Amino acid sequence: QVQLQESGPGLVKPSETLSLTCSVSGASVSSDSYYWSWIRQPPGKGLEWIGFIYNSGRRNYNPSLKSRVTISVDTSKNHISLRLSSVTAADTAVYYCSAGYYRLHAFDIWGQGSMVLVSS
Amino acid sequence: DIQMTQSPSSLSASVGDRITITCQASQDISNDLNWYQQKPGQAPKLLIYGASNLETGVPSRFRGSGSGTDFTFTISSLRPEDFGTYFCQQYGDLPFTFGPGTKVDIK
Repeated sequence: QVQLQESGPGLVKPSETLSLTCSVSGASVSSDSYYWSWIRQPPGKGLEWIGFIYNSGRRNYNPSLKSRVTISVDTSKNHISLRLSSVTAADTAVYYCSAGYYRLHAFDIWGQGSMVLVSS
Repeated sequence: DIQMTQSPSSLSASVGDRITITCQASQDISNDLNWYQQKPGQAPKLLIYGASNLETGVPSRFRGSGSGTDFTFTISSLRPEDFGTYFCQQYGDLPFTFGPGTKVDIK
């Protein structure tokens, strides 16, 4: 059974870089069976897909965030990372790590989410 | 980007009622649509994929239909545990996008 656990600072200052980690148990992040995504949800609002990574390096990002976002995998630690630079208050959200089992486009495994507040 | 709309934005219904949520895409996405349920403080849960396919373990009272730009999500007989917000998500084109959600309350 695959489980995902997000971790990282709950508070980030404006203009700084948000960094989150998703620890994966029950599967290898280098497995060809899984597609790994980050999705966020501002408080009281809807869901926004940030991007995905698979095959340890093939990536695609939401164009609205593309210039600021990096998703990577660390196979030695079996985790997936998210970095979002030059954050503003609009980046305040719950950030979810998610995975699709043999499906790039369906998110059938989710972490519990990590709340990040952007504030000075 | 493909824009997704949902209606209604919220509804209140009684246990045993049949409820229907609609989702519309701004362009043809064939049947490239998923439905999720989210309860307060929890991550979303995938219920329906490919517009009409029930995810493993999801009760059969949940049903999805539609293709092209117009989709429907139905709960045939509402149960108390079905409260929450329901989102549609398209994967017909990148970036993947979600509808704004429909909040379902139990009367």
